[in-house]
Amino acid sequence: EVQLVESGGGLVQPGESLRLTCAASGFTFSSYYMNWVRQAPGTGLVSVSRINSGGSSTNYADSVKGRFTISRDNANNRLYLEMSSLRAEDTAVYYCARERTGTERGMDIWGQGTMVTVSS
Amino acid sequence: DVVMTQSPDSLAVSLGERATINCKSSQTVLNSSNNRNYLAWYQQKAGQPPNLLIYWASTRESGVPDRFSGSGSGTDFTLTISSLQAEDVAVYYCQQYYSSPLTFGGGTKVEIK
Repeated sequence: EVQLVESGGGLVQPGESLRLTCAASGFTFSSYYMNWVRQAPGTGLVSVSRINSGGSSTNYADSVKGRFTISRDNANNRLYLEMSSLRAEDTAVYYCARERTGTERGMDIWGQGTMVTVSS
Repeated sequence: DVVMTQSPDSLAVSLGERATINCKSSQTVLNSSNNRNYLAWYQQKAGQPPNLLIYWASTRESGVPDRFSGSGSGTDFTLTISSLQAEDVAVYYCQQYYSSPLTFGGGTKVEIK
């Protein structure tokens, strides 16, 4: 079964750090771009970061640039998001999503999400 | 960044009636080299992650009912649900993948009238 499972969320204080992990299974992880997308409570979807299949190219939303780092371990089918200097406005459900970049496109597989709450 | 603007924010439609959602991008998402619009639509039901409905602006994802259709080109796009079913109650998002960062519209909530 094709699956993405996020972990690592939780309650942290402003200024602290957190690392999210997305475990992939059921497909050739190293062949796909991967994304982190977040959704603050009651609001819409925001693309946070994107990484190419080999891990050599990354992109970030302006709101997290310099604070968040996306990376991947293709040998172990893992996607990561290192988050530092966390702010209250980073509170959200964080989803990892597989992105197709060939003839078929779009984020076709999503995890169930992990909640990050930044509060004192 | 490409800004995606959806309208309306919400709409209520009777069962069996048509629902139309609009999406406008701040710049073209049409790639003139392949004549493809880099635009996708997603459905998100309450408490669930998003689900891909359409890509290339009008190509339905495998398994998506044919009552869902996408149209448009350049900067203006539409998602149409031809005959609304109870299970279509959800928030719908457009997304451009023409340039990084990928960006989503603000969402349109579809309810039953």
